[in-house]
Amino acid sequence: KAGVTQTPRYLIKTRGQQVTLSCSPISGHRSVSWYQQTPGQGLQFLFEYFSETQRNKGNFPGRFSGRQFSNSRSEMNVSTLELGDSALYLCASSQAGGNYEQYFGPGTRLTVT
Amino acid sequence: DAKTTQPNSMESNEEEPVHLPCNHSTISGTDYIHWYRQLPSQGPEYVIHGLTSNVNNRMASLAIAEDRKSSTLILHRATLRDAAVYYCILRDWNSGGSNYKLTFGKGTLLTVNP
Repeated sequence: KAGVTQTPRYLIKTRGQQVTLSCSPISGHRSVSWYQQTPGQGLQFLFEYFSETQRNKGNFPGRFSGRQFSNSRSEMNVSTLELGDSALYLCASSQAGGNYEQYFGPGTRLTVT
Repeated sequence: DAKTTQPNSMESNEEEPVHLPCNHSTISGTDYIHWYRQLPSQGPEYVIHGLTSNVNNRMASLAIAEDRKSSTLILHRATLRDAAVYYCILRDWNSGGSNYKLTFGKGTLLTVNP
């Protein structure tokens, strides 16, 4: 069974631009979560989607948004990029949320200049 | 989510057992104890989880104290590939699937010496 895939793997953007990251979960997994990882703040939860609905959201500004499609694939969007948005963005999928283990993708490394 | 406390770093020698401690004195009755690890340049990887009884899987063992205020992840024979940051995380099963998220602390950086 294929793992979680994320595209692109690396991205360089300029301040003020917007970016869209994509995540394909493991086949059969309906829950997709997004995390941001930075050296200073560590791993922080962004949001979680289940059956195309956002069920939980972390403490991030409204510039960070996401969506999930009917095939469970998910995208996250960051508008008006700031230098502080430079981070590794990780996507994780699980069978149905709850207490099931999460399977993480390799991440997208975003650099904002 | 309840808080966990882990040592910042630990060292081990290859092929020796490793015991990674985690304190969670404010754990509630519905909190599961999860362990994830993150190898260099990779996303986190699920290791093991448990509620009250000790648990074993192909990767590791989880020993949970009788009062559940602490737990220990045991790697029976460390290899160089086990060098990673290990995260101990509490998940409140009672919060329901709609609140599912993982709250990562700083974890323990495990160094394995050849």
